[in-house]
Amino acid sequence: DIQMTQSPPVLSASVGDRVTLSCKASQNINKNLDWYQQKHGEAPKLLIYYTNNLQTGIPSRFSGSGSGTDYTLTISSLQPEDVATYYCYQYNSGRTFGGGTKLELK
Amino acid sequence: EVQLVESGGGLVQPGRSLKLSCVASGFTFSNYGMNWIRQAPGKGLEWVAYISSGSSYIYYAETVKGRFTISRDNAKNTLYLQMTSLRSEDTALYYCARQRAHYFDYWGQGVMVTVSS
Repeated sequence: DIQMTQSPPVLSASVGDRVTLSCKASQNINKNLDWYQQKHGEAPKLLIYYTNNLQTGIPSRFSGSGSGTDYTLTISSLQPEDVATYYCYQYNSGRTFGGGTKLELK
Repeated sequence: EVQLVESGGGLVQPGRSLKLSCVASGFTFSNYGMNWIRQAPGKGLEWVAYISSGSSYIYYAETVKGRFTISRDNAKNTLYLQMTSLRSEDTALYYCARQRAHYFDYWGQGVMVTVSS
């Protein structure tokens, strides 16, 4: 099974900061990766699909990149409403979520 | 508006069974694959099962294979998850999610399943 490791587990940042969240796969997942945002008490929401495609209605400050085993979600200018836990998800072989990165305001 | 509404959760003893339902509206249900995804209290997300639009393809996580059965009734716009031989580690909030291509574009609000004696 492919393991997905997200880092850091918790990230504190200030409004306006550029924030980078990391997701590392245990083997090459060929860009078959999505990112989801889950706010407290809510269902997850799709942000990015197939590594770098922004879902309709998602602000352009969110972007994704990566290849092989290493993937990144970037928020170009952190907003208060971005406080959430972010999960990466691979579907290249089986289906696996990462453990999540909890994003907090400093 | 796409809506997914789960039901059927509750408190159940270890070893017993429970059947979850997810009623879909706002889209042509029979055109989409569907999934169950769960989240244990305070934990991350775990994909559980997938069923294709016409039920031809079904996949399960290893943790539930042989105990859970995913099914659907396209005439009723309803997705199901039959859970048997339940364990404490199955305690979680269970979401149904619509699949478009390979991503989950709509999620329900979830239904809680608690396995405890």
